Amino acid sequence: DAKTTQPPSMDCAEGRAANLPCNHSTISGNEYVYWYRQIHSQGPQYIIHGLKNNETNEMASLIITEDRKSSTLILPHATLRDTAVYYCIVRSLYNAGNMLTFGGGTRLMVKP
Amino acid sequence: NAGVTQTPKFQVLKTGQSMTLQCAQDMNHEYMSWYRQDPGMGLRLIHYSVGAGITDQGEVPNGYNVSRSTTEDFPLRLLSAAPSQTSVYFCASSYQDRRRQETQYFGPGTRLLVL
Repeated sequence: DAKTTQPPSMDCAEGRAANLPCNHSTISGNEYVYWYRQIHSQGPQYIIHGLKNNETNEMASLIITEDRKSSTLILPHATLRDTAVYYCIVRSLYNAGNMLTFGGGTRLMVKP
Repeated sequence: NAGVTQTPKFQVLKTGQSMTLQCAQDMNHEYMSWYRQDPGMGLRLIHYSVGAGITDQGEVPNGYNVSRSTTEDFPLRLLSAAPSQTSVYFCASSYQDRRRQETQYFGPGTRLLVL
C-alpha cells in the first residue's frame, strides 16, 4: 500500500471548516483513500473513503485531486468534539483482508 | 449490537507472566485484527485473521500468538510478558463489501503495563 504524508498538527476555530490535507503521491490505480480518526484514548473511528470521485457523508467530505496524488478531508463545521488525531490511509483493492497501515496522522485541535 | 468488545480494560503484569487479551465481535465479520499503540505513535498491526482457522502475522508479531476458532472471537496471547510490550492494544473487525472495500470497527482498547 502507498505511503501517506500528513502535517503533524493543525488548529481550527470552532464552527469553522477544518481542512486536513494528505499527500499520497505514489498511489496506484487500485488503491482507495481512507480516513479514520482517534479521539483521545479511544479506538479509531472510520470517517470516509473514496477512489477518485469526491465523497460526502454525514461526518465529512473527501476531496481527491484529479491526479489522485493528494486529498483533503473537510469537516464543514468543526466542534470541540472533533479534536482528535486524523489518519489518512491508502489501501489496495486487491489486498483482501490486509489490514490498515497507520502513519503518524494529524493532530487536530479545535479551539473555542 | 455490542460491536467489538475487549477485556480486560486494564492489566498490570510482571515480566515473564503470560496472559490472554480477549476480543469478541457480534457483527459476523470475516476479518479481525490486533494492533498495538505506543505513546504518541500510530497503530501497528500485530496479527490478523481473514476467517475462522486462518491467521497471519502483521508488522510486529514477535512475542504474541493468536488463534481464531470461531468467527466471533480472536484472543491475543502474550507468551512471556516484557516491559517493551507495555502499550494499548486495539482489536478490530471488518468485512469486505461487494466492491471489496473494507471498513474497520475498533474496540475500546486494553491498556497493558508490564513491570
